[in-house]
Amino acid sequence: QSVLTQPPSVSGAPGQRVTISCTGSSSNIGTHYHVHWYQQLPGTAPKLLIYGNINRPSGVPDRFSGSKSGSSASLAITGLQAEDEADYYCQSFDTSLTTSIFGGGTKLTVL
Amino acid sequence: QVLLQESGPGLVKPSETLSLTCTVSGASISSYYWSWIRQPPGKGLEWVGYVFYSGSTNYNPSLKSRLTIALDTSENQFSLKLNSVTAADTAVYYCAGLKPSWDIELWGQGTLVTVSS
Repeated sequence: QSVLTQPPSVSGAPGQRVTISCTGSSSNIGTHYHVHWYQQLPGTAPKLLIYGNINRPSGVPDRFSGSKSGSSASLAITGLQAEDEADYYCQSFDTSLTTSIFGGGTKLTVL
Repeated sequence: QVLLQESGPGLVKPSETLSLTCTVSGASISSYYWSWIRQPPGKGLEWVGYVFYSGSTNYNPSLKSRLTIALDTSENQFSLKLNSVTAADTAVYYCAGLKPSWDIELWGQGTLVTVSS
């Protein structure tokens, strides 16, 4: 059981918008620590998608956006494309565990 | 271009020590917290720990008693040693470069380690 809770799966048709939630607590997302998001395409290593809650690394399309409010965070993907089909993970720091933590991951299916 | 490459045995016997090395090229050894993340087959990511060039470390509390992560600045390598392994330690192990804000900017390709007799 992960400290950060994500839906196991989400789906959407090409061109649609989907969101993936990441729910934590007052000891992780609810602190000043940032939330980061990763995309893991099948058979590959994860790739940093969003850092510092809302920032995109160079090369990540602006179809991907992140937000944080209270003890939760969200990843939004607009204009869904077949190539977006992947697993997505949120990550933060937990002040009680004093270590990094990941969400359980969400599998995005593009219908 | 930054490259992280894991190396080590793909098969380890139960109760023995899992040892992996990550060779870093194209990145300053002092610019990142050098980390290990693992992913059991078909499951999610699990934080293992990091070592910084100052020598400081941070370990997953659930692994801390069995874990050592060390840095060899002369070889631009860092290593993971996990002792007394069981089948539950079977996973793809990724070496990675973590920024001070805890985002993982650099990833190796990963290496599968199977614990089995």
